[in-house]
Amino acid sequence: SQQGEEDPQALSIQEGENATMNCSYKTSINNLQWYRQNSGRGLVHLILIRSNEREKHSGRLRVTLDTSKKSSSLLITASRAADTASYFCATDVVDNAGNMLTFGGGTRLMVKP
Amino acid sequence: ETGVTQSPTHLIKTRGQQVTLRCSSQSGHNTVSWYQQALGQGPQFIFQYYREEENGRGNFPPRFSGLQFPNYSSELNVNALELDDSALYLCASSFGQETGYGETQYFGPGTRLLVL
Repeated sequence: SQQGEEDPQALSIQEGENATMNCSYKTSINNLQWYRQNSGRGLVHLILIRSNEREKHSGRLRVTLDTSKKSSSLLITASRAADTASYFCATDVVDNAGNMLTFGGGTRLMVKP
Repeated sequence: ETGVTQSPTHLIKTRGQQVTLRCSSQSGHNTVSWYQQALGQGPQFIFQYYREEENGRGNFPPRFSGLQFPNYSSELNVNALELDDSALYLCASSFGQETGYGETQYFGPGTRLLVL
């Protein structure tokens, strides 16, 4: 079973709107990472947020982490057509010996021009 | 570009055959992880190599095996291929530490394997 689950599974918005994706997980984590994937290609790292952090920003991206609720959100502001992709959250779990990531099923974002 | 490269980009095999996939890690990284991504799903962790030793393994059978070389590049070998092995295989490199405290993993473009 997957550690993280993204919500919604699919999201369609107009260019310029904001997009919010949520991720829930089950066990304690070292960190949570968000990735983007275009058309089944490699994953592009967006942001890493550690378990002792609550919010991080990178350009138009804002990530929040609530460890009490075991959830995270990714906000993309002023979306562009080029943001169309699948977005995955991945958790680095405390019990693992190394930093092995467990991914959710992803949110498929479509930004219409 | 992450600096992580994989070869080949595409591969077609028949059931029962064996396949070797290769990954060159980003400069300065000592850890390589392999993931399998079926169509429409998130990546699933196969195993990780840290300083040439297996450092953890996901829920994959022994016919999935790997190696890491002194230059930290890596191979994924799959024996007795099955139809369900058709997927995108991703490798990721990172700088691992003895504490096991997670760091960012940088992914290569993947190898798409089709088993007929």
